[in-house]
Amino acid sequence: KNQVEQSPQSLIILEGKNCTLQCNYTVSPFSNLRWYKQDTGRGPVSLTIMTFSENTKSNGRYTATLDADTKQSSLHITASQLSDSASYICVVSANQAGTALIFGKGTTLSVSS
Amino acid sequence: NAGVTQTPKFQVLKTGQSMTLQCAQDMNHEYMSWYRQDPGMGLRLIHYSVGAGITDQGEVPNGYNVSRSTTEDFPLRLLSAAPSQTSVYFCASSYYRTGRSTEAFFGQGTRLTVV
Repeated sequence: KNQVEQSPQSLIILEGKNCTLQCNYTVSPFSNLRWYKQDTGRGPVSLTIMTFSENTKSNGRYTATLDADTKQSSLHITASQLSDSASYICVVSANQAGTALIFGKGTTLSVSS
Repeated sequence: NAGVTQTPKFQVLKTGQSMTLQCAQDMNHEYMSWYRQDPGMGLRLIHYSVGAGITDQGEVPNGYNVSRSTTEDFPLRLLSAAPSQTSVYFCASSYYRTGRSTEAFFGQGTRLTVV
């Protein structure tokens, strides 16, 4: 069964600190892996998209890594800000067209001052 | 640009009532989809469309109908609302190009409560 597992389920960090969120997947076939940020009461917003040939991709203070061999990905947030408080969702696409997206349950990040 | 617009933002229905959730995009995207998001679960695909006149079922299609008469609009119809359909609904759109992975753009969501 295609699955995307994220850890931790929730995380609290102090403003200015770094953190890393994890994603493990068992999806076949694999086309690409996406990280989304979802603020409370809003729709998900794309942070990165990586294909199997990409190991690292950055978007500002967000850096995603992908190990297609171990089927693991991570999202590293540097110098966290209060506005980083959100749910971060790992999504694996089973085809290039994006018509077969498998969503993780998300990691809820709270950044406190 | 407006991107993906969903209406209404909030809705309360009585069991058995029908309604249509609206979704419109102004990016000329071929692909549009509807998801529901429930507490403790990832987003689940209800229906999707790869172009005007073409729709297909996703993971949880029962109780919902869709149609795609234009590129811009992709309404979701609840035929006879049930409490199990209480959820937050998201519409998304994206374009497809051979050899490229493209991001999906999501609307702001419709929070539906069925009593």
